Amino acid sequence: DIQLTQSPSTLSASVGDRVTITCRASQNISTWLAWYQQKPGKAPKLLIYKASSLEGGVPSRFSGSGSGTEFTLTISSLQPDDFAIYYCQHYDTYFITFGQGTRLEIK
Amino acid sequence: QVQLVESGGGVVQPGRSLRLSCAASGFTFSSYAMHWVRQAPGKGLEWVALIWYDGSNKYYADSVKGRFTISRDNSKNTLYLQINSLRAEDTAVYYCARARISAAGLDAFDIWGQGTMVTVSS
Repeated sequence: DIQLTQSPSTLSASVGDRVTITCRASQNISTWLAWYQQKPGKAPKLLIYKASSLEGGVPSRFSGSGSGTEFTLTISSLQPDDFAIYYCQHYDTYFITFGQGTRLEIK
Repeated sequence: QVQLVESGGGVVQPGRSLRLSCAASGFTFSSYAMHWVRQAPGKGLEWVALIWYDGSNKYYADSVKGRFTISRDNSKNTLYLQINSLRAEDTAVYYCARARISAAGLDAFDIWGQGTMVTVSS
């Protein structure tokens, strides 16, 4: 089975910082990767699909890149609302897996 | 508006069964593949099951295969998850989610319900 490993597990940053979260796949997954944001007590929210496509309504400070086995989620200028847990996800025709999550904390 | 609302969670004894429901509204439910995802307290997201738009194909995570059954009633705009032989490790918030544009799999999840909590305890 394909496994996703996110790094770092925890990231401390300040408002206005540019941050990058990495997701590595155990084998080539092309661009079948999504990114989600989850806040405490809430359902996840889709940010990016197909590795780099921005979901409608998501601020343009979020961007995704990568293909194959290495992917990144970048937030260009952190806003107070961005402090949350971020998950990458690989989706296939009949197999879905999530990374373990990255907690983005206020420094 | 586009919405998914789960129900059916609660406190259940080990070994018992439970059926979760997910009521869809605001979109053509019968055109979309649907998923169940769970999240144990303080843990990450775990995909549970997928059902195609017409119910013709169903797929499960290895951890639940044989005990969980996903189904749907397109006439009622409702998704279901039957959970049998409940175990302590099934304790989690269960979310239903919609595949973004796909009638089958191969898509991200763009709409999520608020989740329903299942607690397995004697």
